[in-house]
Amino acid sequence: DAGITQSPRYKITETGRQVTLMCHQTWSHSYMFWYRQDLGHGLRLIYYSAAADITDKGEVPDGYVVSRSKTENFPLTLESATRSQTSVYFCASSRLTSTNEQFFGPGTRLTVL
Amino acid sequence: ILNVEQSPQSLHVQEGDSTNFTCSFPSSNFYALHWYRWETAKSPEALFVMTLNGDEKKKGRISATLNTKEGYSYLYIKGSQPEDSATYLCAFPGTASKLTFGTGTRLQVTL
Repeated sequence: DAGITQSPRYKITETGRQVTLMCHQTWSHSYMFWYRQDLGHGLRLIYYSAAADITDKGEVPDGYVVSRSKTENFPLTLESATRSQTSVYFCASSRLTSTNEQFFGPGTRLTVL
Repeated sequence: ILNVEQSPQSLHVQEGDSTNFTCSFPSSNFYALHWYRWETAKSPEALFVMTLNGDEKKKGRISATLNTKEGYSYLYIKGSQPEDSATYLCAFPGTASKLTFGTGTRLQVTL
């Protein structure tokens, strides 16, 4: 039972490059989320998706693009990476419940030089 | 924008001390409050989901209480151990299965 996985786990890139972080879940959860971990802010929501082909912006979407062609995958793309996007990125998924419980992937540590 | 606040921001205790911290959240339209445990270099893991006013949940030495009328929840750790060192997050549900997270309480337990 793989659950929710992220790849790569670590990535170093340069300013201006395009980077895609992958997220895959095996639970068939409807909802998927991308967060970034920021000092002093905790977890901030970048984008979320309610189902395949349905995505919406979160709190900090600028500089990011998402897609969801299949229920199980939710890739996050940094179109032109900036140093301020250096962070740890967490993907999470949730099925539709009354409590919105979310399950997190292991995270991707991204460094932009 | 939902306002979820946690205090203190950080806490440093000795092994064996008991400790507690607070999460405050909007008291209107309440239906759940989550506590997550987040160890350094790992991903957040669910501790408790609390739904009823007056609810008390327990997992080993960690327990949590809930007051939905006044909009707060307490997390207690009895007899802290070094392995309890982590950031403890609370989260409040919003629309579209979203959660609004507090900034967390970072607990460090030393020998």
